[in-house]
Amino acid sequence: DADVTQTPRNRITKTGKRIMLECSQTKGHDRMYWYRQDPGLGLRLIYYSFDVKDINKGEISDGYSVSRQAQAKFSLSLESAIPNQTALYFCATSDRTVGQPQHFGDGTRLSIL
Amino acid sequence: AQSVTQPDIHITVSEGASLELRCNYSYGATPYLFWYVQSPGQGLQLLLKYFSGDTLVQGIKGFEAEFKRSQSSFNLRKPSVHWSDAAEYFCAVGARKFSGGYNKLIFGAGTRLAVHP
Repeated sequence: DADVTQTPRNRITKTGKRIMLECSQTKGHDRMYWYRQDPGLGLRLIYYSFDVKDINKGEISDGYSVSRQAQAKFSLSLESAIPNQTALYFCATSDRTVGQPQHFGDGTRLSIL
Repeated sequence: AQSVTQPDIHITVSEGASLELRCNYSYGATPYLFWYVQSPGQGLQLLLKYFSGDTLVQGIKGFEAEFKRSQSSFNLRKPSVHWSDAAEYFCAVGARKFSGGYNKLIFGAGTRLAVHP
């Protein structure tokens, strides 16, 4: 089983709909992250969380919200989806020690029509 | 501010040929450095990392990378490429200082590798 699991893997929806992407992990890491990937732009950080009570905005948080339901679960919501939020979304986790690598899920491909 | 540049968007090599993917970074001190690989439909897999010590680091799948402080580079190499190495490769820089309170990673835009038979 994957250490970092994202659901759904693919989603097509319409402009204005609310969407939730879910992430769960079995690595026991405190820190979790949401990124979006766009061609030619690499990965950009949307939100990150140190623990259940500590959530922080990343570079591109506008239009997104998150919820850390438990240490192992971190969900990303698009309250009212728009076409330019079409992208590949990744969840990642890391140990609390600075400099440790992040471990990624397989991604959710989201298309907004 | 940290930044990462991967100058090559696409690279094509023949199977069995050697490979070097370039990565240049901007950071005020010695950073943590990572290379990740992304195969189609999959997430990013860590190939190798540099924290300190020996500037030549070995990773998985036969890859290695060399940290060159004077050139602010961390290039990825493989002596003989296999068809299964076709993927997108990302270089990432992490701050040593606990800036912003999290393990901030800055990713390059990626290099897509194609392998000819």
